[in-house]
Amino acid sequence: NAGVTQTPKFQVLKTGQSMTLQCAQDMNHEYMSWYRQDPGMGLRLIHYSVGAGITDQGEVPNGYNVSRSTTEDFPLRLLSAAPSQTSVYFCASSRPAAANYGYTFGSGTRLTVV
Amino acid sequence: DAKTTQPTSMDCAEGRAANLPCNHSTISGNEYVYWYRQIHSQGPQYIIHGLKNNETNEMASLIITEDRKSSTLILPHATLRDTAVYYCIVRTQGAQKLVFGQGTRLTINP
Repeated sequence: NAGVTQTPKFQVLKTGQSMTLQCAQDMNHEYMSWYRQDPGMGLRLIHYSVGAGITDQGEVPNGYNVSRSTTEDFPLRLLSAAPSQTSVYFCASSRPAAANYGYTFGSGTRLTVV
Repeated sequence: DAKTTQPTSMDCAEGRAANLPCNHSTISGNEYVYWYRQIHSQGPQYIIHGLKNNETNEMASLIITEDRKSSTLILPHATLRDTAVYYCIVRTQGAQKLVFGQGTRLTINP
């Protein structure tokens, strides 16, 4: 049982490049989310999903796309990287809220855009 | 979701109980209080949550006042490994979002 797995752990991009941050969970959690954390700040919600085929925007969705084709995977796509997207990205998953469980977070992807 | 207020930082001696306060004066009846912590640059870790009653698990205890306007997370015997940023979050049952504030930076001193 690996929990929430994020890849890569570190990435450096040039401005304008695109890439996909991977997130996979093996707990059969329906809820999945992406957060970003800038230095000295709390986490901010980018996008979230309540199940396969269903996604929605969080606080800071601009510049990011998501899709949820399976329960296990929730990739985050940066279409044209900008220096403002330099951050640590965390993926999280949870059982349906009706069960009122806490979220399990991945270990993060540290992204630098130069 | 209601807003929470936490002290920016706190210190505690190793082996003593660490008591972390949180104010959530605008909390509504269907909102739960959650606590997470983030050790160094790792992903946040769920600690405990509660609605009205006090809760205890293997990590901590959560004390919620009768009017539910504030709560306290208690780490009964703090160790150096408990040094982290602790986040108090109020969340409606069924809500997808977790809204993180600045949290309390707890430092456990030898």
